[in-house]
Amino acid sequence: QLQLQESGPGLVKPSETLSLTCTVSDGSISSSTYYWGWIRQPPGKGLEWIGSVYYSGSTHYNPSLKSRVTISIDTSKNQFSLKLSSVTAADTAVYYCARSHCSGSNCYYNYYMDVWGKGTTVTVSS
Amino acid sequence: DIQMTQSPSSVSASVGDRVTITCRASQGISNWLAWYQQKPGRAPKVLIYAASSLQSGVPLRFSGSRSGTEFTLTISSLQPEDFATYYCQQANSFPLTFGQGTKVEIK
Repeated sequence: QLQLQESGPGLVKPSETLSLTCTVSDGSISSSTYYWGWIRQPPGKGLEWIGSVYYSGSTHYNPSLKSRVTISIDTSKNQFSLKLSSVTAADTAVYYCARSHCSGSNCYYNYYMDVWGKGTTVTVSS
Repeated sequence: DIQMTQSPSSVSASVGDRVTITCRASQGISNWLAWYQQKPGRAPKVLIYAASSLQSGVPLRFSGSRSGTEFTLTISSLQPEDFATYYCQQANSFPLTFGQGTKVEIK
């Protein structure tokens, strides 16, 4: 059964770059029927989609974070990664990676997250 | 961006109760809506996709429906393990957006 695991520093200083990697096991990241994405949840708050990447490298980002976010994919390692620059305390959250199902010949609708990692807590503090 | 307005923000219910949660999209999203359940300290879990399709392994007491841009998640007979927070998510187009969440609490 496909599993996702987030990894990366749990503590990041303000103004620095948050970097996380999601490793996909027991399945291939090189599938045309899925996007791979990042979602975060600040303490006590709701879910916020950060962005998604396709196996081809095509990306989509949350407009509110777009200027600071880069999501990339490495099919040779079966991993995808998140970089969030210029972080502040407002970026403190649990960060989840997830597989996004999609439909259509060009994978252009029905994007729901059907497999999630367990999440990793990232705190922004000096 | 498509805004998702979810209500109520919380509901108190007893075991065996029927619980209904509503989500309204700011524009048409066809049937492309998903519902998730999240328990404290755990990742969300998809319950319903495409408005009314039950994810494999999810109990039949969960159901979803659509009327225009309004979507409903119904738990027909609340069980102890159903006390959690529920989120809707529009799955029509990027950027993906979630509702604010509904916490189902024990009455």
